[in-house]
Amino acid sequence: DIQMTQSPSTLSTSVGDRVTITCRASRSISTWLAWYQQKPGKAPGLLIYKASSLESGVPSRFSGSGSGTEFTLTISGLQPDDSATYYCQQYETYPLTFGGGTKVEI
Amino acid sequence: EAQLVESGGGLVQPGGSLRLSCADSGFTFSNYWMGWVRQAPGEGLEWVANIKEDGSVEYYADSVRGRFTISRDNAKNSLYLLMNNPRVEDTAVYYCARSSGWRDRFDCWGQGTLVTVSS
Repeated sequence: DIQMTQSPSTLSTSVGDRVTITCRASRSISTWLAWYQQKPGKAPGLLIYKASSLESGVPSRFSGSGSGTEFTLTISGLQPDDSATYYCQQYETYPLTFGGGTKVEI
Repeated sequence: EAQLVESGGGLVQPGGSLRLSCADSGFTFSNYWMGWVRQAPGEGLEWVANIKEDGSVEYYADSVRGRFTISRDNAKNSLYLLMNNPRVEDTAVYYCARSSGWRDRFDCWGQGTLVTVSS
């Protein structure tokens, strides 16, 4: 199975900050990576797919990059509404696997 | 707008049986792979199972293979998860999710249904 490791697990930030979350895969997944945002008590929502493609309707302050085994999610100009937990997910192979999550606190 | 609504969660005893359902609206259900993802209390996301558009192919996480069965009824625009012999560690919120392809991201999620496995 491909293990997905996110860092940091928690991030304390301020409105307007630029935030970077890292996701590492245990082996190459090309660009078969998605990022999700989850707020407490809610379902996850897709932000980024294929490592860097922005899902329709997602604000442009969210961006993704990377390939192979190392990926990043960047939030430029953090907004209060961005307080949430963020997960990466690989879909290069089954079983599909998620990272452990990064909680962004503002 | 695409929408998914789960139902069927609740309390089940270890070794019992429970069937979760997911109904869709706002998109052509039969055109999409579908899946289940779960989240134990205070924990991260765990993929459970996926099923092909026509129901002919299924994939399972090792943790549930042989105990859980994913199925669908395209005539009823519905997805199911039959949980046989559940264990305490299967306690979680179960999300129904639409997949963009056979091995892909999940681009639409239901609100989730809580399953508690306890005696």
